[in-house]
Amino acid sequence: EVQLVESGGGLVQPGGSLRLSCAASGFTFSSYDMHWVRQATGKGLEWVSGIGTAGDTYYSDSVKGRFTISRENAKNSLYLQMNSLRAGDTAVYYCARGALGFDPWGQGTLVTVSS
Amino acid sequence: QSVLTQPPSASGTPGQRITISCSGSSSNIGSHTVYWYQQLPGTAPKLLIYNNNQRPSGVPDRFSGSKSGTSASLAISGLQSEDEADYYCAVWDDSLNGWVFGGGTKLTVL
Repeated sequence: EVQLVESGGGLVQPGGSLRLSCAASGFTFSSYDMHWVRQATGKGLEWVSGIGTAGDTYYSDSVKGRFTISRENAKNSLYLQMNSLRAGDTAVYYCARGALGFDPWGQGTLVTVSS
Repeated sequence: QSVLTQPPSASGTPGQRITISCSGSSSNIGSHTVYWYQQLPGTAPKLLIYNNNQRPSGVPDRFSGSKSGTSASLAISGLQSEDEADYYCAVWDDSLNGWVFGGGTKLTVL
């Protein structure tokens, strides 16, 4: 069964940092693009970042220069290093496999940026 | 303000057919395939339609997608109470060099 499990969310102060992880299982992780998508409470979905199989990276304008996506194929893991966090970054962060569309999605991890 | 425009809400009665629109531009829908996602209350999104009109295995054929020019649509026929959810369209955008989502449409089954 294909499964994605996020971790690393929590409460952080504005300006702080947090590192999210996504553990993948049930498929050949190195063969797929991977993505992070977030959703603020009561709001819509927002694509955050993606990484290709060759390590090429893509970011939304809202996080460029502050967030870094990476992957470790040997550990079937995806990461999102988030620096200079702002209140507007508060959201549930989902990791998703990039196949034909984002499929599947993890259950999400909540990041709260507040003093 | 989303790059892709969806109606914020839609509604229908059981058995009815409804459509949800997604309007974009030449840099996104006009150039790339459209995806649709269903998000049931309190759960993660799920892929519903890929490549404009293809259904992943397990998605009922009551769900269908179409695309014309810079707009796309999701149709749900034989509406059921369990279809009550938020629906999002998504597509790659060449100008932004990233993925964009519509603002989402909340479907209510009356």
